[in-house]
Amino acid sequence: AQKITQTQPGMFVQEKEAVTLDCTYDTSDPSYGLFWYKQPSSGEMIFLIYQGSYDQQNATEGRYSLNFQKARKSANLVISASQLGDSAMYFCAMREGYTGNTPLVFGKGTRLSVIA
Amino acid sequence: GAVVSQHPSRVICKSGTSVKIECRSLDFQATTMFWYRQFPKKSLMLMATSNEGSKATYEQGVEKDKFLINHASLTLSTLTVTSAHPEDSSFYICSASRESRYQETQYFGPGTRLLVL
Repeated sequence: AQKITQTQPGMFVQEKEAVTLDCTYDTSDPSYGLFWYKQPSSGEMIFLIYQGSYDQQNATEGRYSLNFQKARKSANLVISASQLGDSAMYFCAMREGYTGNTPLVFGKGTRLSVIA
Repeated sequence: GAVVSQHPSRVICKSGTSVKIECRSLDFQATTMFWYRQFPKKSLMLMATSNEGSKATYEQGVEKDKFLINHASLTLSTLTVTSAHPEDSSFYICSASRESRYQETQYFGPGTRLLVL
């Protein structure tokens, strides 16, 4: 079974509008971390936002916010006020356990296209 | 923030040759590094976990004799693709882990595009 599911292969959003990228996860470990990365055409993985399983509040980083619904095992990324530069692949990832010695498991990604 | 470098960023080689890719953590010591592979329009797939001073742990289906990993120091891990073939052409990306309870504990390098002719 997939540990990270991103059901939207592609998304379009109008510039300045908000967009939500979906992510659901599957784990039995009570301690885990959820990440969102942006990958532009250059290939580099740009860290956007992190949510720990014990965090009470939803994470926010500038225009990015993570809608964390633990009971539903979902961690959707919300990008507000979309910009043309936001066009890229977006990956949701999970680390099980609470140590950096555990690798990340990635979803298949969502390609976001921002339209002027 | 933490910086991880990879070298080379792009390499083209002939079939049958070996290619070495370096992954360096520039401003912290990394006890663990990870190597991922990404095919075009696909997600990142973990190849192996590289631990300083010990043997790498390979994921199922990854040939350890094909993809040699050496983690010689706390700042350097190398991936050598031996006797490369066209099917090894891919985007290889490393990440370095710093033992921490901080939110971002894995820092990614910029990746290496390998093309085997």
